[in-house]
Amino acid sequence: NAGVTQTPKFRVLKTGQSMTLLCAQDMNHEYMYWYRQDPGMGLRLIHYSVGEGTTAKGEVPDGYNVSRLKKQNFLLGLESAAPSQTSVYFCASVRGGPGTQYFGPGTRLLVL
Amino acid sequence: GNSVTQMEGPVTLSEEAFLTINCTYTATGYPSLFWYVQYPGEGLQLLLKATKADDKGSNKGFEATYRKETTSFHLEKGSVQVSDSAVYFCALTSSNFGNEKLTFGTGTRLTIIP
Repeated sequence: NAGVTQTPKFRVLKTGQSMTLLCAQDMNHEYMYWYRQDPGMGLRLIHYSVGEGTTAKGEVPDGYNVSRLKKQNFLLGLESAAPSQTSVYFCASVRGGPGTQYFGPGTRLLVL
Repeated sequence: GNSVTQMEGPVTLSEEAFLTINCTYTATGYPSLFWYVQYPGEGLQLLLKATKADDKGSNKGFEATYRKETTSFHLEKGSVQVSDSAVYFCALTSSNFGNEKLTFGTGTRLTIIP
């Protein structure tokens, strides 16, 4: 049981490039989330999904898109990366009960 | 809207010292409250939680009591160890199930020196 995994672990992009971050969970969780973590700002919710085929905007959705084609996977896309998107990105999924979210190890993204 | 205010860090303590990290919140309705911990290079892990007023969450020697009258959920540990060095996040959600969205505080970095 791998829990929540994220790919890649680290990536460097140039401004304007695109990329996709993959989150996978093997716990059969319905709800999945993408956060970004920036110094002094805690974690901020980008997008989330309450089930396969559904997505919704979080607190800071601009510049990102997501897809949940399969229950176990939640993809975060950056169509045209900007330096302001330099951050650590965390994926999480919910097993059950209020707020018991399981987090992946994170993806560190640097946009030059 | 919901918000969480945490004690600013960093906090540095000697091993076996008493720890308190303050957390206060603003929320509508009846939120559930959480402490998450992030060890170096890892994702967040749930440390403890409380879902109603006066509940006490506890785990690994850490405790926090849900105080509705003071809108607080302070984290305490009687005797810290070097292995407790991490970043601690207070969080809340105002949904009991389903569409939970966590609101996080900014985090408090704790360093324990031998």
